[in-house]
Amino acid sequence: EVQLVESGGGLVQPGGSLRLSCAASGFTFSNYEMNWVRQAPGKGLEWISYISISGDSTYYADSAKGRFTISRDNAQNSLYLQMNSLRGDDTAVYYCARDGYNSAYFKNWGQGTLVTVSS
Amino acid sequence: SSELTQDPAVSVALGQTVRITCQGDSLRTYHANWYQQKPGQAPVLVIYGNKYRPSGIPDRFSGSSSGNTGSLTITGAQAEDEADYYCNFRDNGNYRVFGGGTKLTVL
Repeated sequence: EVQLVESGGGLVQPGGSLRLSCAASGFTFSNYEMNWVRQAPGKGLEWISYISISGDSTYYADSAKGRFTISRDNAQNSLYLQMNSLRGDDTAVYYCARDGYNSAYFKNWGQGTLVTVSS
Repeated sequence: SSELTQDPAVSVALGQTVRITCQGDSLRTYHANWYQQKPGQAPVLVIYGNKYRPSGIPDRFSGSSSGNTGSLTITGAQAEDEADYYCNFRDNGNYRVFGGGTKLTVL
């Protein structure tokens, strides 16, 4: 069974940093492209970032560009999101999402981790 | 334009058929995917590639596409189908876009 378990969320002050992790199991992690998607309270889904299977190709939404960094460790079956210069509008549940194999959709999702940016 | 537009809310009587639409110029080129999200839960993929249903998704869910509009149809809506539904696509640069979501109420 595919499992994606996010961790690392919490309360952080504006301007602070946080590193999210996503532990993957139940599939060959190194064969799948991965993403981070977030959802602000009461709002819709927003794609944040993508990483290729090797990690050498990454893409970011404009809202994350220059502040967030996606990475992965295939040996540890883990996905990461380093978030710097956090702002109030970064407050959201952050989901890691696995692409379908060589596909253009989010096949599996974690349960999410809440990030709250507030003083 | 890379935007996707969805009606904010749609309602359907129990057992009836409802269509949820997603409009955007990019859908003339890229395939639409659909996700169901119930309160407090992670999204679930219900349709991919405009019209394909993942295993485990009831066959009352179907998808189609025409021109700049993708559609999700629920034939014989059930109470458990009450949820938010989001469309999305992936462009050839690996960027992803979501629609604003449609809240489906089953009456």
